[in-house]
Amino acid sequence: AQKITQTQPGMFVQEKEAVTLDCTYDTSDPSYGLFWYKQPSSGEMIFLIYQGSYDQQNATEGRYSLNFQKARKSANLVISASQLGDSAMYFCAMRGTTGGNQFYFGTGTSLTVIP
Amino acid sequence: DSGVTQTPKHLITATGQRVTLRCSPRSGDLSVYWYQQSLDQGLQFLIQYYNGEERAKGNILERFSAQQFPDLHSELNLSSLELGDSALYFCASSVSPLQDTQYFGPGTRLTVL
Repeated sequence: AQKITQTQPGMFVQEKEAVTLDCTYDTSDPSYGLFWYKQPSSGEMIFLIYQGSYDQQNATEGRYSLNFQKARKSANLVISASQLGDSAMYFCAMRGTTGGNQFYFGTGTSLTVIP
Repeated sequence: DSGVTQTPKHLITATGQRVTLRCSPRSGDLSVYWYQQSLDQGLQFLIQYYNGEERAKGNILERFSAQQFPDLHSELNLSSLELGDSALYFCASSVSPLQDTQYFGPGTRLTVL
């Protein structure tokens, strides 16, 4: 069964600094996808970045990058040059390939950017 | 704006009642997913439809049902509501049923009193 673990319930970062949000996963699927979503206080879920299990390079999207270490089963999100608007909940999710395209979500990390 | 729309935004009802949540996927997306987000259980997958047919089922209660219509919009029906059903219900959509990013709607916040 798939499982996503986010061990940091809350994180603080100074504005303009970089921050890493941890995510580890467990799956027996040979092919899978890893995603990060941002949920601001308004509630919507915003897609940030995707990493496929066979991708050779780490994914990047603007200030977001995904530090993918397959052997360690980790997919950490790195946010560079933090902004006040980055304060939100961040969820790591995994898509398996068996049983449909359902996502398995971690418990989330609450990030607070301090001015 | 993800392009996924959900109505209503908020819903307040009483125990024992029945409600219907509506979702319209992004243009071109054929697959729709429903998720429930509650404080105690986090984000949980409920059910997936692809082009009108049920594709996968998660932790969906028997009191809950869903369907996807020919125009691809989807409805989630919740009946015999209990206090514990209070949650944020998300709809998401993707182009295909596999190997695709899911884009989430703004959610419907259901409060059962």
